[in-house]
Amino acid sequence: EAGVAQSPRYKIIEKRQSVAFWCNPISGHATLYWYQQILGQGPKLLIQFQNNGVVDDSQLPKDRFSAERLKGVDSTLKIQPAKLEDSAVYLCASSYAGNTIYFGEGSWLTVV
Amino acid sequence: GEDVEQSLFLSVREGDSSVINCTYTDSSSTYLYWYKQEPGAGLQLLTYIFSNMDMKQDQRLTVLLNKKDKHLSLRIADTQTGDSAIYFCAEKLTDSWGKFQFGAGTQVVVTP
Repeated sequence: EAGVAQSPRYKIIEKRQSVAFWCNPISGHATLYWYQQILGQGPKLLIQFQNNGVVDDSQLPKDRFSAERLKGVDSTLKIQPAKLEDSAVYLCASSYAGNTIYFGEGSWLTVV
Repeated sequence: GEDVEQSLFLSVREGDSSVINCTYTDSSSTYLYWYKQEPGAGLQLLTYIFSNMDMKQDQRLTVLLNKKDKHLSLRIADTQTGDSAIYFCAEKLTDSWGKFQFGAGTQVVVTP
């Protein structure tokens, strides 16, 4: 079974530029998560989708971050404009029944 | 407190046992997890325990759960150099959508 796929793996951008990350969850997983992991910290939930609906985006900085999950499968996370403090690993994860979540390899963002 | 707490660092000799400790927050959490993160990679699910269990053993891994103290531990028997990684404790909260909350991670360094 294929795991959670993410791209790009690495991205370096200048502050105030924009960036987009893509995620393809494990087939059949209805729940999709985007987490932000800053160096030295644990993952922090940004947004959680159930199928194509948002169930929790309370920690998403909505002035600069947006995410969508069209058709309830793939998802895209966008940052515009980026700030230095957005440098982090953006982890996508998915779950079938909500009791176990599986992570992708992450997209590593450096904002300079 | 509101945070899942873990010690930051553990050094262990190859062949010895490692014990990683965690204190979680939600006394009603139904599932508790241990994830492993190697350099440059996402989080890999190692094992989980359901809250009605005290102990779970899976090959070299033993998970102990003390619900009264909200304490979770992971013991790795016969620690190998390949076990060097960051280990995250996580709990599934009993809020509406079962949010997962992670600790900051314990870096385990295995020395020959």
